Amino acid sequence: GAVVSQHPSRVICKSGTSVKIECRSLDFQATTMFWYRQFPKQSLMLMATSNEGSKATYEQGVEKDKFLINHASLTLSTLTVTSAHPEDSSFYICSSVGRVGYTFGSGTRLTVV
Amino acid sequence: DQQVKQNSPSLSVQEGRISILNCDYTNSMFDYFLWYKKYPAEGPTFLISISSIKDKNEDGRFTVFLNKSAKHLSLHIVPSQPGDSAVYFCAASGGSGGSNYKLTFGKGTLLTVNP
Repeated sequence: GAVVSQHPSRVICKSGTSVKIECRSLDFQATTMFWYRQFPKQSLMLMATSNEGSKATYEQGVEKDKFLINHASLTLSTLTVTSAHPEDSSFYICSSVGRVGYTFGSGTRLTVV
Repeated sequence: DQQVKQNSPSLSVQEGRISILNCDYTNSMFDYFLWYKKYPAEGPTFLISISSIKDKNEDGRFTVFLNKSAKHLSLHIVPSQPGDSAVYFCAASGGSGGSNYKLTFGKGTLLTVNP
């Protein structure tokens, strides 16, 4: 079946630094990638939708200059959290949709100290 | 505004009995519904889905029921097993144009199946 590989699974960074999260589709072409964020005991909240080769569409309230999304190829989408702050600490998950339905990455636990 | 609601944050069931997880939605444009299972620090795993043209879909121990008039769906797991213990998310998609594939999630229900 379709697999989305997400890295890193866990990252701790200092406040003010940037962190890049990668999602790769291993055996299919992901023309669309969704990026979600989940805070403890909350639902997965959609942050943005990225389409290969075009600018990402951000949900209301999500800062596009802070959460940079790049989807330069059909197999790789990246989310960069710039100038991270402790309140950005969360669980970030990518998801693609294709012929086999939605496929989720394994998630990245970001802790900003 | 929570468009997909899972009002029970947790549910505890005895092994072998039925688990019933409930989900309500408010957006009448939703036409596709999914249930996911999630373990801590992992991505969601797809369980079962249902289109709005159906009112029931069954896959092994999992059955999803959809009541469109009540905007309500439920996931039945029978018999429940300890390995089913996880957080279950209800999700919905639908609407017009490019937003069709966006999923809106509920907050999840933590299911605990006791041996």
